[in-house]
Amino acid sequence: QSALTQPRSVSGSPGQSVTISCTGTSSDVGGYNYVSWYQQHPGKAPKLMIYDVSKRPSGVPDRFSGSKSGNTASLTISGLQAEDEADYYCCSYAGSYTFNWVFGGGTKLTVL
Amino acid sequence: QVQLVESGGGVVQPGGSLRLSCAASGFTFSSYGMHWVRQAPGKGLEWVAFIRYDGSNKYYADSVKGRFTISRDNSKNTLYLQMNSLRAEDTAVYYCATSIWVDAFDIWGQGTMVTVSS
Repeated sequence: QSALTQPRSVSGSPGQSVTISCTGTSSDVGGYNYVSWYQQHPGKAPKLMIYDVSKRPSGVPDRFSGSKSGNTASLTISGLQAEDEADYYCCSYAGSYTFNWVFGGGTKLTVL
Repeated sequence: QVQLVESGGGVVQPGGSLRLSCAASGFTFSSYGMHWVRQAPGKGLEWVAFIRYDGSNKYYADSVKGRFTISRDNSKNTLYLQMNSLRAEDTAVYYCATSIWVDAFDIWGQGTMVTVSS
């Protein structure tokens, strides 16, 4: 199973919005509404930010939003803050004939 | 509070074996499926394995199938990953994770580092 495709890096100034894309196939992103997004600061464990394409877990600011169109999912962060600087990973269920999950390669967000 | 704590990482030679553990607390461990996810140094996340709440079904990434075995002891609230025939490319931080409140990896441990090197 190939990793999902994310841009290696994105950047934005405080207060701006950025969008991170995550491209898969009809066997993963396009086939299921089980896309999730994780934030990871250096040396820390990943933190769930978005699940089921567009839902936010309790405690995650509404500045974070998710969407999907076809085989591409997106994470949008509005009103950028310094603490948003981190790596972001998308993930999709890719069950098909067996239980399987696939992650994206990760995107480094820099807040300028 | 809900917590996962991994242990058992270390340095092992190629071809060697290692068993990781993940101690769970703060939730009914026996009611939830559990995952192992790894991250090679400077690289992205990779799903490794999953076991159902009662251990009845186990699933593996192709990269570890036949070499790694996931298991659990619900009486000890502990998840395991037995890693055999280790290769340099298995070098990574290994996280245990689960889905308690939502259908995604919403709880993660702090990770344990495995280094495969001669």
